[in-house]
Amino acid sequence: GAVVSQHPSRVICKSGTSVKIECRSLDFQATTMFWYRQFPKKSLMLMATSNEGSKATYEQGVEKDKFLINHASLTLSTLTVTSAHPEDSSFYICSAMLRTGRSYNEQFFGPGTRLTVL
Amino acid sequence: GESVGLHLPTLSVQEGDNSIINCAYSNSASDYFIWYKQESGKGPQFIIDIRSNMDKRQGQRVTVLLNKTVKHLSLQIAATQPGDSAVYFCAENIEDTGNQFYFGTGTSLTVIP
Repeated sequence: GAVVSQHPSRVICKSGTSVKIECRSLDFQATTMFWYRQFPKKSLMLMATSNEGSKATYEQGVEKDKFLINHASLTLSTLTVTSAHPEDSSFYICSAMLRTGRSYNEQFFGPGTRLTVL
Repeated sequence: GESVGLHLPTLSVQEGDNSIINCAYSNSASDYFIWYKQESGKGPQFIIDIRSNMDKRQGQRVTVLLNKTVKHLSLQIAATQPGDSAVYFCAENIEDTGNQFYFGTGTSLTVIP
């Protein structure tokens, strides 16, 4: 249980185009999902918190107009990289939070999406 | 976000030896920590967690130690196996402020057969 998928797993696009990445919780409902960005040999950087039915909360320094997040249902959050540029090339990882009823809630991570902007 | 860093970016150990991966955090308000394992090209996997009211927690072949005085935690892996080769991250959270986790730099563990 508690499986999170991402689609696509890998995408290559031309500079100036927009790319949408999907994050799905397959067997549980997630009111909260998170989007991370990871550069090669670097750590995960939290970009934003995706809240179902409301606006995403972005971390400091992350452009909300550049990285559009939509959490339209309890099992799906999407990240759209608008007008992508080569510097947006990165590994994008989402996680979905499973409310366990305990005092803390566990996050399950997706397998990541490798974005390459030419 | 909070600053979480690791002392050693790379670590090589012989198969069968014990591994110790360290992590320093800067926010004394952090009260929940998780160690994650990430294999190449994949998302992080939960290994073990610890709350600030504990100083030690054991799992299967893994132990996490938390020293709040010096804001340091470590991950000990017993009898390291080739399958343990991966990058290990610690992540910190302040429970009362939300569910956001902030990740440390990461340590790449290589197990030598």
